[in-house]
Amino acid sequence: KQEVTQIPAALSVPEGENLVLNCSFTDSAIYNLQWFRQDPGKGLTSLLLIQSSQREQTSGRLNASLDKSSGRSTLYIAASQPGDSATYLCAVYGLGDSSYKLIFGSGTRLLVRP
Amino acid sequence: GAGVSQSPRYKVAKRGQDVALRCDPISGHVSLFWYQQALGQGPEFLTYFQNEAQLDKSGLPSDRFFAERPEGSVSTLKIQRTQQEDSAVYLCASSRSTGPGTGGGGQAYNQPQHFGDGTRLSIL
Repeated sequence: KQEVTQIPAALSVPEGENLVLNCSFTDSAIYNLQWFRQDPGKGLTSLLLIQSSQREQTSGRLNASLDKSSGRSTLYIAASQPGDSATYLCAVYGLGDSSYKLIFGSGTRLLVRP
Repeated sequence: GAGVSQSPRYKVAKRGQDVALRCDPISGHVSLFWYQQALGQGPEFLTYFQNEAQLDKSGLPSDRFFAERPEGSVSTLKIQRTQQEDSAVYLCASSRSTGPGTGGGGQAYNQPQHFGDGTRLSIL
């Protein structure tokens, strides 16, 4: 059974720092991996989708990498801002008959202090 | 353009009552998903529809949970005889299609799932 783990569970940094959020998954047989942001009381906003054949995706100050063989992904946030404060969730899509199903980690709660 | 809309945003019910949660997907989206998110956890898959067909209900916790999408658009998640452990945020997501397709070059891809803001259900 696929399990997704995110470390750390919570992170507090001063504004301007670069930071890395980690995601690991137990079964390397995945199609794609997606990073989401969740603000309190809100749904999920997609940040980056890394396709199975890709190793990384970039959007603005965000960069996500994927290493399927080791079962790891990282989300790098450059020059963090207070507006980046949110919970960041990593999710993987399975293969075959379960390819539509997103399996999530528990998230990393990020606080960027002014 | 309109995103995924869920109602109500908040629902408080007494243990034993039945509740119904509504999801309006993005217009034209074939696939619809329900997830359950407990406090401090990531969402967990409940069920999946392609148009009006419920293709996967393996994540529904018990037979008290029932979902439908009769006309292939709006979906309702119903919970009968609610219990305290049903308290959670229920998220709905929709996408243009489901499963892997092929982009240019034959690469597999997934259509991204777009999420609503959820219904926060509290069972007293």
